Amino acid sequence: NAGVTQTPKFRILKIGQSMTLQCTQDMNHNYMYWYRQDPGMGLKLIYYSVGAGITDKGEVPNGYNVSRSTTEDFPLRLELAAPSQTSVYFCASSYSGLPGVTQYFGPGTRLLVL
Amino acid sequence: AQSVAQPEDQVNVAEGNPLTVKCTYSVSGNPYLFWYVQYPNRGLQFLLKYITGDNLVKGSYGFEAEFNKSQTSFHLKKPSALVSDSALYFCAVRDMSGGGADGLTFGKGTHLIIQP
Repeated sequence: NAGVTQTPKFRILKIGQSMTLQCTQDMNHNYMYWYRQDPGMGLKLIYYSVGAGITDKGEVPNGYNVSRSTTEDFPLRLELAAPSQTSVYFCASSYSGLPGVTQYFGPGTRLLVL
Repeated sequence: AQSVAQPEDQVNVAEGNPLTVKCTYSVSGNPYLFWYVQYPNRGLQFLLKYITGDNLVKGSYGFEAEFNKSQTSFHLKKPSALVSDSALYFCAVRDMSGGGADGLTFGKGTHLIIQP
């Protein structure tokens, strides 16, 4: 199993550009999450999904959109990139939403908005 | 609302010595506590978790953590540090007070530096 994979690894965007961060998991997990990690800060939840076709906002959803058309994929869309979105983005998945269930993380996408 | 505090930005330990990385939490219900490790330019790797039961939890790479309900703490420990343990460590918590499948709440992270 590859686990959780993310592409690209690194991207530079200009202000106002858009892009999609890809996330795929091969563990047949129903639950998927997007977090961002800013320097000196812990990870913050952007969006999550409890299954195909179902998504919900996390703590910091502004400026982002998500979709979940399949169990495996959970792309994150930035429509109008802003410098405040410079961050490292992590995708995670878990087989259940119960609080004691482990979330497994991808390697991350480093995004720089200039 | 739930929160996690990691009071030390950095912990320095000599190789072979015991290490402790501190974590305290605040939740309104029963806490579910996790430790993750992040190596440079890598994703987060799961180390261990506390759900219920024995207060001493053993995890990967020789790490363990002690859950203390009265002090609301979940400190990460290892009896003998290795240089390869040098990394960024995150403590995280979830409870059921939110009612839904929302995410983990993370601390800011602690840089662990093991000196040869």
